[in-house]
Amino acid sequence: GEDVEQSLFLSVREGDSSVINCTYTDSSSTYLYWYKQEPGAGLQLLTYIFSNMDMKQDQRLTVLLNKKDKHLSLRIADTQTGDSAIYFCAESPNTGNQFYFGTGTSLTVIP
Amino acid sequence: DAGVIQSPRHEVTEMGQEVTLRCKPISGHNSLFWYRQTMMRGLELLIYFNNNVPIDDSGMPEDRFSAKMPNASFSTLKIQPSEPRDSAVYFCASTIHGQVAIFGQGTRLTVV
Repeated sequence: GEDVEQSLFLSVREGDSSVINCTYTDSSSTYLYWYKQEPGAGLQLLTYIFSNMDMKQDQRLTVLLNKKDKHLSLRIADTQTGDSAIYFCAESPNTGNQFYFGTGTSLTVIP
Repeated sequence: DAGVIQSPRHEVTEMGQEVTLRCKPISGHNSLFWYRQTMMRGLELLIYFNNNVPIDDSGMPEDRFSAKMPNASFSTLKIQPSEPRDSAVYFCASTIHGQVAIFGQGTRLTVV
């Protein structure tokens, strides 16, 4: 299968910006996603970006895509304690119905 | 739409018993995925269906696991017999044309 890699942990102070990074291997990816999982809950779709886009902004969230380096990032502005969760990067390639998830990055927001 | 509905939310069973997990995908979605999540292995794809047909079941751990999708609005994941190492959270997700997977809340399975 495809490789989607993320760092495991990130800690930031409340009010700072968080940047969660992800790298992937499939150059034919059509969609790239960010999901959020709070403790004891399912994966909640946060945002996604088409592979022909470089950037997408949605309120405090900014997604940047560097197709050349196969690098995706999620920036959370003004991080709040409620943002503490595990964030999963995922891609769906052009070939068929399939999703590849990263290991998830556990974000801890320090008050 | 109420989203992807999974039942039960929690299941505790004894080793050797049969366990059946249920999923109702979002109406109109044509692909359905079963995932398992554990601390040790993270999120693993078990099987996925496209238009009710199993496409890839290479992630199913062993013959004790089976999944069915008798129609577009219902799928089951069965474990028989269950073992303690099957304890995990099992997620169902559905998509339309392979895009934007929506997840259910999961079933937390504990096998004692």
